[in-house]
Amino acid sequence: GAVVSQHPSWVICKSGTSVKIECRSLDFQATTMFWYRQFPKQSLMLMATSNEGSKATYEQGVEKDKFLINHASLTLSTLTVTSAHPEDSSFYICSAPRVGRGNTIYFGEGSWLTVV
Amino acid sequence: GDSVTQMEGPVTLSEEAFLTINCTYTATGYPSLFWYVQYPGEGLQLLLKATKADDKGSNKGFEATYRKETTSFHLEKGSVQVSDSAVYFCALSENSGGGADGLTFGKGTHLIIQP
Repeated sequence: GAVVSQHPSWVICKSGTSVKIECRSLDFQATTMFWYRQFPKQSLMLMATSNEGSKATYEQGVEKDKFLINHASLTLSTLTVTSAHPEDSSFYICSAPRVGRGNTIYFGEGSWLTVV
Repeated sequence: GDSVTQMEGPVTLSEEAFLTINCTYTATGYPSLFWYVQYPGEGLQLLLKATKADDKGSNKGFEATYRKETTSFHLEKGSVQVSDSAVYFCALSENSGGGADGLTFGKGTHLIIQP
C-alpha cells in the first residue's frame, strides 16, 4: 500500500482562487519532504524542500509567496497554490525520504491541478 | 548544474522483447543514480539504484549499471511483459541516499508493451 499519500489526486479551480494539496507520510516520520512540479513532456522539477518546524527552502525561480508550504507535523506537508492562474496548471508530486531503511525516497501519487 | 537526459518515448515493444532505455547524466560530484517507475494512476516507485561507479542495481528483472566513464545508467530488461508498461524516470542525487536533497529527474520514458 501507499507509504506517502497525496490529496487530492485531481482538482479544478477557478483562476484567482487558492488550492491546497496535502502530502502525508503514512507509517514513518519525515522531517523533510520535497515538492515537485511536472509540465507535460517535461522533467519533474524540484520546487521546494519542506522542513518540519521551519521555513521551506525554495528552488531558484519558484515564488515562495505563490507556493506556500507548511510542514507543521512530522507526517504532513501542505502546498498551497495562491491566486492560481491557468499557467499554474500542472502535475504536483511530493516525496519523503525514509531515513534508516536504505534511505528510500517514497513518492505520493501526485496531484493534477487544472486552473480554469 | 546537474542534469539527466533519457531517451524520449513512447517506446513500443512486443512482449518478450529486449528493453534498453538510455540515460546519461551530468553532475558536479559523484551522484547516486536511480530508476523510478510510475504505473498508471500511481505514484513513483523506486525500481533500482546504484550509489557508486560500477555498481549494478537490479529489481524485477530490470538492471542498470553505473558507468562513470560514460556517465550513463541505462536500464535493461531481457524479456518485457505487458505489466511493465509504465513511465520510467532516471534520476540522480548528489546525496548518497537522496535523503537531504531533492532528486534531479529526466523527462521520463513512456514504455508500451504490446501482447
